[in-house]
Amino acid sequence: KQEVTQIPAALSVPEGENLVLNCSFTDSAIYNLQWFRQDPGKGLTSLLLIQSSQREQTSGRLNASLDKSSGRSTLYIAASQPGDSATYLCATDKGNTPLVFGKGTRLSVIA
Amino acid sequence: NAGVTQTPKFQVLKTGQSMTLQCAQDMNHEYMSWYRQDPGMGLRLIHYSVGAGITDQGEVPNGYNVSRSTTEDFPLRLLSAAPSQTSVYFCASTKGLAGTGELFFGEGSRLTVL
Repeated sequence: KQEVTQIPAALSVPEGENLVLNCSFTDSAIYNLQWFRQDPGKGLTSLLLIQSSQREQTSGRLNASLDKSSGRSTLYIAASQPGDSATYLCATDKGNTPLVFGKGTRLSVIA
Repeated sequence: NAGVTQTPKFQVLKTGQSMTLQCAQDMNHEYMSWYRQDPGMGLRLIHYSVGAGITDQGEVPNGYNVSRSTTEDFPLRLLSAAPSQTSVYFCASTKGLAGTGELFFGEGSRLTVL
């Protein structure tokens, strides 16, 4: 059974800092890995999707990388802003099974 | 740009009452699913559907029923509410038949069972 872990559970950084969020998974035979953002009291919003054949995806100040062999993905946020404060979740699927989510990292960017 | 719409946003029930959480999407997605989110437990899949007339159980299906009579709608029924079902419920949909591809979420329905 796939297990997805995100460490740390919470992170606080000053505005302007570059930061990395980590995601690890136990079964490397994944099809996709997705990163989501969740604001308090809201649903999840998909940020980036990396297919198993890809190594990374970029969107604006966000860059997600995937290393299937080591069971790891990272989400890099450049020049963090207070508006980046949210919970970030990663999730994997095997192509014919629903997503399995990590519990998320709660990010606070302090002005 | 409605996307995934959930109603109600908030609901308080007494133990033993029944209710239906509504979910509708206007993106012609085949795959729809229901999750519950609890502190310390993360998101857990309750039921999902890969198309009209097809439903399947997720990780925590007990106490919940679903049906999928149309592509657009995927209601979640609580048959006899229990305090353990106090949670935030999210409906999600995607174009991918197996739930792969970008997943779109509703805003959530916060349920309290007294």
